[in-house]
Amino acid sequence: NAGVTQTPKFRVLKTGQSMTLLCAQDMNHEYMYWYRQDPGMGLRLIHYSVGEGTTAKGEVPDGYNVSRLKKQNFLLGLESAAPSQTSVYFCASSYLGGTSGLKQYFGPGTRLTVT
Amino acid sequence: GESVGLHLPTLSVQEGDNSIINCAYSNSASDYFIWYKQESGKGPQFIIDIRSNMDKRQGQRVTVLLNKTVKHLSLQIAATQPGDSAVYFCAENPPGSGYSTLTFGKGTMLLVSP
Repeated sequence: NAGVTQTPKFRVLKTGQSMTLLCAQDMNHEYMYWYRQDPGMGLRLIHYSVGEGTTAKGEVPDGYNVSRLKKQNFLLGLESAAPSQTSVYFCASSYLGGTSGLKQYFGPGTRLTVT
Repeated sequence: GESVGLHLPTLSVQEGDNSIINCAYSNSASDYFIWYKQESGKGPQFIIDIRSNMDKRQGQRVTVLLNKTVKHLSLQIAATQPGDSAVYFCAENPPGSGYSTLTFGKGTMLLVSP
């Protein structure tokens, strides 16, 4: 049982390039999330999904797109990377809504640098 | 992971001491709270949670206290160990989110000296 995995672990992009971050979970969780973490800012929600085929905006969605074509995968896309998107990105998943399902399980993170 | 700790409030304790990490939450209508631990270079890890109909909940070496009157949450760690050194985040379930999202605080760094 691998839990939540993220690919890649590190990436360097030039301004304007695009990329996709992959998150996979093997816990059969319904909900999945993408966060970014910047120094002193805590975790900020980018987008989330409450089930296969659904997505919703979080606190800081601009410049990102997501897709949830399969229950176990949640993709985060950057169409035209900007230096402001330099951050550590975390994916998380949780079983289902309701207070018993709010416990989120996090992946190890992807460190992205945009030059 | 080291950049996570920049500009964070820091609590320094000696091994064996009890630690208390505090968190002020924003919305008086929030009814679920959770604490996470994040070690350097890793993703956050669940510690303990509490619902608003409780004032206290205990886990293994950890206790969470909730004071709804002043919108304050605290995490107490008994007999702190060097392995407890990490950044600790509180999070709340904001009203209107349909029990689907968490809003995280900025975190507190705990440094434990042997």
